[in-house]
Amino acid sequence: GIQVEQSPPDLILQEGANSTLRCNFSDSVNNLQWFHQNPWGQLINLFYIPSGTKQNGRLSATTVATERYSLLYISSSQTTDSGVYFCAVEAPSTGGFKTIFGAGTRLFVKA
Amino acid sequence: DAGVTQSPTHLIKTRGQQVTLRCSPKSGHDTVSWYQQALGQGPQFIFQYYEEEERQRGNFPDRFSGHQFPNYSSELNVNALLLGDSALYLCASSHWGEGFYEQYFGPGTRLTVT
Repeated sequence: GIQVEQSPPDLILQEGANSTLRCNFSDSVNNLQWFHQNPWGQLINLFYIPSGTKQNGRLSATTVATERYSLLYISSSQTTDSGVYFCAVEAPSTGGFKTIFGAGTRLFVKA
Repeated sequence: DAGVTQSPTHLIKTRGQQVTLRCSPKSGHDTVSWYQQALGQGPQFIFQYYEEEERQRGNFPDRFSGHQFPNYSSELNVNALLLGDSALYLCASSHWGEGFYEQYFGPGTRLTVT
């Protein structure tokens, strides 16, 4: 089945720094989402981005479907950005589609 | 606009017991998916329900079963609980389109099996 790899696995930043998180996938996908999981376990939607580029405040994302990767950019990081960032892809499966998550990037932003 | 809700928030069960978790989808959504998230890992897809039928299933044993009701809410049942079933169980809802849809997650149910 499709493999989803995220890098780096862990990231420590000083408040105000910028960062780039990467998601590679091994086969064609129909859909890709980025999520932020807060310390209480809630998955918060960041981007629904099967292709192209989107921006939302200090966050932006780019998916290059033909090259099977997506990038999440965090600029001017804040302590509240800490948590785990997941990418999830929707891949074709017999009779429909399945969602596969990467293992996540654990981000800690120091004050 | 209410988001995805799940109940209960926390649950403690004993090995061998059975458990039922509940999910109400976001308004306007008709598809519910369930995920298991073990500590330190990404969510793993269990199954998906649409039109009251299981449409897709991940690599989970038959001890995991589900149901979707006419109002689109859903239940996840786990029989013969094992210690390894301890995890955060997440429900996601979406609108069934032509294969392209955005999922929204509930706060999860944290299950501990002792």
